[in-house]
Amino acid sequence: AQTVTQSQPEMSVQEAETVTLSCTYDTSESNYYLFWYKQPPSRQMILVIRQEAYKQQNATENRFSVNFQKAAKSFSLKISDSQLGDTAMYFCAFMRGNFNKFYFGSGTKLNVKP
Amino acid sequence: DTAVSQTPKYLVTQMGNDKSIKCEQNLGHDTMYWYKQDSKKFLKIMFSYNNKELIINETVPNRFSPKSPDKAHLNLHINSLELGDSAVYFCASSRATSGGYNEQFFGPGTRLTVL
Repeated sequence: AQTVTQSQPEMSVQEAETVTLSCTYDTSESNYYLFWYKQPPSRQMILVIRQEAYKQQNATENRFSVNFQKAAKSFSLKISDSQLGDTAMYFCAFMRGNFNKFYFGSGTKLNVKP
Repeated sequence: DTAVSQTPKYLVTQMGNDKSIKCEQNLGHDTMYWYKQDSKKFLKIMFSYNNKELIINETVPNRFSPKSPDKAHLNLHINSLELGDSAVYFCASSRATSGGYNEQFFGPGTRLTVL
């Protein structure tokens, strides 16, 4: 079975600063994908970034980047130049290749303070 | 232009009632999903349908019955509602997986409150 662990229930960061959200996972699969989703107060689930396990290069999307450590089964999200609109719940998620089933972590609530 | 829509967005009902949540996607996707997010924000898949056929059925009470009249719709019917059914229910859709990964697009969620 796959498990995803987010050990930080809540975090705060000052606007314009950088914050890192942690995620670890457990799997015996070799073909899988990892994701970070954002859920603002509107409840909408928004894909932030995706990482294919077979790629060694860390994914980046503008201010968002990941640190993917495959051997350690770690997948952290770095948000640079934090903005007030980044305030949300952030969910780490795992998906086996060829099987569209997500396993979500318990989420980290991020507060960006002005 | 909403890609995945759900109705209603809010649903308040009494214990023991039967209710339905509707989901529609206009993305031309083959696969649709229902997720439940509990009060602690934990998000877990309940069902997945591909071309109107059930392909994922997690350990969900049989009071929950998904119905897919066509590829664009996946409705969730809940019988004999219980207090523990209170949650936010998300519908999602994606292309069918044919190697690799296909992005799932989520609806806005339906907040169900059982009194």
